[in-house]
Amino acid sequence: EAQVTQNPRYLITVTGKKLTVTCSQNMNHEYMSWYRQDPGLGLRQIYYSMNVEVTDKGDVPEGYKVSRKEKRNFPLILESPSPNQTSLYFCASTKGTEAFFGQGTRLTVV
Amino acid sequence: KQEVTQIPAALSVPEGENLVLNCSFTDSAIYNLQWFRQDPGKGLTSLLLIQSSQREQTSGRLNASLDKSSGRSTLYIAASQPGDSATYLCALSGNTPLVFGKGTRLSVIA
Repeated sequence: EAQVTQNPRYLITVTGKKLTVTCSQNMNHEYMSWYRQDPGLGLRQIYYSMNVEVTDKGDVPEGYKVSRKEKRNFPLILESPSPNQTSLYFCASTKGTEAFFGQGTRLTVV
Repeated sequence: KQEVTQIPAALSVPEGENLVLNCSFTDSAIYNLQWFRQDPGKGLTSLLLIQSSQREQTSGRLNASLDKSSGRSTLYIAASQPGDSATYLCALSGNTPLVFGKGTRLSVIA
């Protein structure tokens, strides 16, 4: 079954404690991306990757890092999380122009 | 910069009604358009993808149209059911990252 898998689904952490949200896709897609979703602001792109070792900033990259060492994985790294990064995060994998999304990670930073 | 607007932001209808959700975009250059459904706290499920060369797509009770010249897309839902209650998002895709509207929250009342 074609899918995008994010982990964890829920995470509560404290300010400043580094964390990683993993994302994996089994569709051999080249393009992957991360979004955050906030009430009233909708979905905004954080980072995207057009292929292995090729990443670029989206609309709201501050406070985030990503890596793309292999095609299937695209982890999102928060080196020093802050409360304003409390949000619902989605990873997406795109083939052509059709995007497939993970189930989301609800992150709370206290 | 491309902007996507969805009207109305929220809609409540009785079961059985036909309804139309609207999506407009500012840059009428050729884009593909994708409609998603999102249940509360959940991920995004792709409903329909309209390629730039197409004018509409149908899946079951759903029909989506695309008019690039006017910068508009509509999602038509026939014979609405309580199970259709969700937030519906449109997003423009292509060589650039997906740009999302903020969604229409639909409630179908039994």
